[in-house]
Amino acid sequence: RKEVEQDPGPFNVPEGATVAFNCTYSNSASQSFFWYRQDCRKEPKLLMSVYSSGNEDGRFTAQLNRASQYISLLIRDSKLSDSATYLCVVNLTDSSYKLIFGSGTRLLVRP
Amino acid sequence: ETGVTQTPRHLVMGMTNKKSLKCEQHLGHNAMYWYKQSAKKPLELMFVYSLEERVENNSVPSRFSPECPNSSHLFLHLHTLQPEDSALYLCASSQDTSSGGTQYFGPGTRLTVL
Repeated sequence: RKEVEQDPGPFNVPEGATVAFNCTYSNSASQSFFWYRQDCRKEPKLLMSVYSSGNEDGRFTAQLNRASQYISLLIRDSKLSDSATYLCVVNLTDSSYKLIFGSGTRLLVRP
Repeated sequence: ETGVTQTPRHLVMGMTNKKSLKCEQHLGHNAMYWYKQSAKKPLELMFVYSLEERVENNSVPSRFSPECPNSSHLFLHLHTLQPEDSALYLCASSQDTSSGGTQYFGPGTRLTVL
């Protein structure tokens, strides 16, 4: 079983749509969670951290379900510029450098 | 602008060649990393340096040899690579090795081994 699993997609949605990605992780001891974004042929960039209580940053909402070992990312009012691969990232502690990356979910937003 | 630069951006090499990848960070960070990203696979951590000292070698074959002459520069020396080593090699940095999930990536070197 992969340590971090994501649906590879692609998710093909029209502008303005709401889209949700899910991610599951295998190690129940994992402590911190993140979403990174990687544009085509570019480097990954931190999009947002995921907190136990859920958190929102503009059109983006991240949620964590520790019981089900499940993380989600919701994007509302999709923009063309949201087209990218979204990487789910898990860390066994709050401070370790050993990030465990998922393979990513690809999003295509069409006009 | 991430503050982490990598050169070259693209590299094609034969299996008998020797080449080096260079990474420089302008963020004043103390930790630097090499990752490998193969098609449709997750990022794999290769090496970690903290204040120029290697703290992690993630079972990487010896044909990959890292060097960190100072906290701003990181090299990956390559020799006698195999075609399966073709991948995107990403450098990253963080304030230190206890920064958790916040790492800043360079644009990567896309390596093709013939």
